[in-house]
Amino acid sequence: AQKITQTQPGMFVQEKEAVTLDCTYDTSDPSYGLFWYKQPSSGEMIFLIYQGSYDQQNATEGRYSLNFQKARKSANLVISASQLGDSAMYFCAIRHTGNQFYFGTGTSLTVIP
Amino acid sequence: DAGVIQSPRHEVTEMGQEVTLRCKPISGHNSLFWYRQTMMRGLELLIYFNNNVPIDDSGMPEDRFSAKMPNASFSTLKIQPSEPRDSAVYFCASSLGTVRDFSYNEQFFGPGTRLTVL
Repeated sequence: AQKITQTQPGMFVQEKEAVTLDCTYDTSDPSYGLFWYKQPSSGEMIFLIYQGSYDQQNATEGRYSLNFQKARKSANLVISASQLGDSAMYFCAIRHTGNQFYFGTGTSLTVIP
Repeated sequence: DAGVIQSPRHEVTEMGQEVTLRCKPISGHNSLFWYRQTMMRGLELLIYFNNNVPIDDSGMPEDRFSAKMPNASFSTLKIQPSEPRDSAVYFCASSLGTVRDFSYNEQFFGPGTRLTVL
């Protein structure tokens, strides 16, 4: 069964520090994509970053980077220089051939001033 | 582009009433997804369409739920009759991509419909 596991229901980080949000996945497909989304308190889902299973390098988008360890089936999100506006729920998701997405249960991040 | 459009943004209804949620995907996107989000169950995929055809509806809770996509620019999710346990935020999302396509295509989410069934 394909699934996403996010083991940290809640995380706290000091402003300007870096934080890592964990995500592990389970799939038997050789081809897949991993996505991270942010959901602030206003409720919208915002796409952050993508990693393809065949990508050789870890994805980066501004302050977001993805620590992709294929053998361990993990795709952790690293947010550098945390800002107060980073406080939100963060969801990891996997997409397989078949175009279906599976989302994790999310991690609530609180940035402390 | 206006993004994914959902209506209504908020819906309050009484148990037993019919509820219809509407979604307009991003123009050119050929995949559409309906999700339900609750505190208890998180984000659940209800159904998804590819080229207007339902591909997987295994997440639809029961026969009270139905979804249609009559054309590429419109989809509905209907609950009849509604129950208090259906109270949730319902998201519609769209993306490019096909069942066999494995290219990078993220989902774009609509703002959601917050449904309250009294």
